[in-house]
Amino acid sequence: QVQLVESGGGVVQPGMSLRLSCAASGFRFTTYGFHWVRQAPGEGLEWVAVLYSDGSRIYYADSVKGRFTISRDNPKSTVYLQMNSLRVEDTAVYYCARDLSLGSLDLSGRGTLVTVSS
Amino acid sequence: QSALTQPPSVSGSPGQSVTISCTGTSSDIGTYNRVSWYQQPPGTAPKLMIYDVSNRPSGVPDRFSGSKSGNTASLTISGLQAEDEADYYCSLYTSSNTLVFGGGTKLTVL
Repeated sequence: QVQLVESGGGVVQPGMSLRLSCAASGFRFTTYGFHWVRQAPGEGLEWVAVLYSDGSRIYYADSVKGRFTISRDNPKSTVYLQMNSLRVEDTAVYYCARDLSLGSLDLSGRGTLVTVSS
Repeated sequence: QSALTQPPSVSGSPGQSVTISCTGTSSDIGTYNRVSWYQQPPGTAPKLMIYDVSNRPSGVPDRFSGSKSGNTASLTISGLQAEDEADYYCSLYTSSNTLVFGGGTKLTVL
């Protein structure tokens, strides 16, 4: 079954860290790039980061640059998002998504909720 | 990062056609064709409906079509059905290798 499953969300205090995981199955993981996209409660979609299949092309939104790190483990077919120095405004559902063709996301997971609150 | 402007809401009756616009500038939508459209019913993940302005992924009904004119991309849904009620987002892949989303449009089927 072709799918992405996110995990690792939870409630943390401002300034703390969290690592999200995205487990892929049912397709050839190594040939795809992956994005993280987030959606704050009641708000629209916001792109976070992308990591392409070659592992060297990595790009971030300005809002997370220097705090978040995207990575992948090909043998485990898993993408990660390491989130440091979390802020209240990082509160959102985080979706992992597969890149079909430079920014078109043809497969998404169900998302994992990150709540940053004191 | 550029901003893409969408109308907050549109509506239509079953069987009718509706068009959702996504307006950028001559530096983004006016120049690049990496425009996608996503459908997001409440409480679900976004689903790709159109990519590269006018291409439909397999499984997406041909009632959904995309186009671009100047600085504006558009998503048209013909033969509107109750199940089409959702939020719709446009996106653009920029020359800086970032992805920008529009603010979203709520489609109501009357």
